[in-house]
Amino acid sequence: GDSVTQMEGPVTLSEEAFLTINCTYTATGYPSLFWYVQYPGEGLQLLLKATKADDKGSNKGFEATYRKETTSFHLEKGSVQVSDSAVYFCALSLAYNTDKLIFGTGTRLQVFP
Amino acid sequence: EPEVTQTPSHQVTQMGQEVILRCVPISNHLYFYWYRQILGQKVEFLVSFYNNEISEKSEIFDDQFSVERPDGSNFTLKIRSTKLEDSAMYFCASSERTSGTDTQYFGPGTRLTVL
Repeated sequence: GDSVTQMEGPVTLSEEAFLTINCTYTATGYPSLFWYVQYPGEGLQLLLKATKADDKGSNKGFEATYRKETTSFHLEKGSVQVSDSAVYFCALSLAYNTDKLIFGTGTRLQVFP
Repeated sequence: EPEVTQTPSHQVTQMGQEVILRCVPISNHLYFYWYRQILGQKVEFLVSFYNNEISEKSEIFDDQFSVERPDGSNFTLKIRSTKLEDSAMYFCASSERTSGTDTQYFGPGTRLTVL
């Protein structure tokens, strides 16, 4: 079935380090791909999205490229800040007959000064 | 900025009791959703709701679950007879229209603990 796999956390980094959180997916058809972020005590917020192959989503210094050939949508940021500490969720939507989101397990990022 | 709100933030109940989780979606949104996350597991889709009826539901959403939009602002999830395995974080979401590329806006969640 359709699914999303994320790297397990927590990911622990020092401020200004480079971040990669891996996400791969399995889907029939051509999904849209999303990264959501959850800061402590808050809801899931859309961070970025990409709707077709080779699209790059970007926001707040984060980027992810929709790679159809490797079925991946890895999240990257060149220089993390303490304020980026949160849980990051990769998700897909199949678009053509449903609007439900299929999520990965989430990856907790901890950034230390 | 408009946001989705949920109450309560934490609900503790005894097994077999009924619970109602409440959500106030963003005011001009027409599509509403419930998801849940059991501790350590994935966020799972439960149900979507449009035009006062369920548009899609997952296998999890059995006869113990129901949703309702009792007035113009609230969207509720009722669990009739809670089980231990219903313990989870429940998220409400809303969007303006249905499309795989539309953004779903999520609330902060209600943590349900069934004892």
